[in-house]
Amino acid sequence: DAGVIQSPRHEVTEMGQEVTLRCKPISGHNSLFWYRQTMMRGLELLIYFNNNVPIDDSGMPEDRFSAKMPNASFSTLKIQPSEPRDSAVYFCASSEVGGVTQYFGPGTRLLVL
Amino acid sequence: TQLLEQSPQFLSIQEGENLTVYCNSSSVFSSLQWYRQEPGEGPVLLVTVVTGGEVKKLKRLTFQFGDARKDSSLHITAAQPGDTGLYLCAGGGGSYIPTFGRGTSLIVHP
Repeated sequence: DAGVIQSPRHEVTEMGQEVTLRCKPISGHNSLFWYRQTMMRGLELLIYFNNNVPIDDSGMPEDRFSAKMPNASFSTLKIQPSEPRDSAVYFCASSEVGGVTQYFGPGTRLLVL
Repeated sequence: TQLLEQSPQFLSIQEGENLTVYCNSSSVFSSLQWYRQEPGEGPVLLVTVVTGGEVKKLKRLTFQFGDARKDSSLHITAAQPGDTGLYLCAGGGGSYIPTFGRGTSLIVHP
């Protein structure tokens, strides 16, 4: 099992640019979560999907952030336009629907200059 | 919002020492999980506890869920450098959307 796959692993961009983060969940998992981790705020849930449908996006910080899950094996998190305060590690995690165990990807380290 | 407070925030010890880290909340959780996150990686599940008073052991790690299911502790015996990492607790309610604590960052020096 390849686990949750995220790309890119590192991203450095300039303020105002569009950033797209990608995630491939574990095959057979029906729930997908996007998190952001910073030293100041810890691990924050941004949005989660069940069966490709966004269930709760109340954690998305503002309209600059958007997430999609066009099929069961792929999700994107987009930031447009990016700002320096978006710099963080972004994690994708997947689980079985209703499952208590989340499987995290290795994260994307984003730096916005 | 259910909040989980973890303490201590940072811990730096020598190899062979024992330690305990705590996860506390004013809310009741149907289950509680402990994850370990190594530098540059995502969190990895260590254990899930679901019953008040439950104790689980994983080699040198002992996890306890409080009787009221509001708190938990993780005790490490004879810590080793390989135990270094960020220890996160996560609590879940009925819908199981977990709430994560901010973690305890542990460094074990050889």
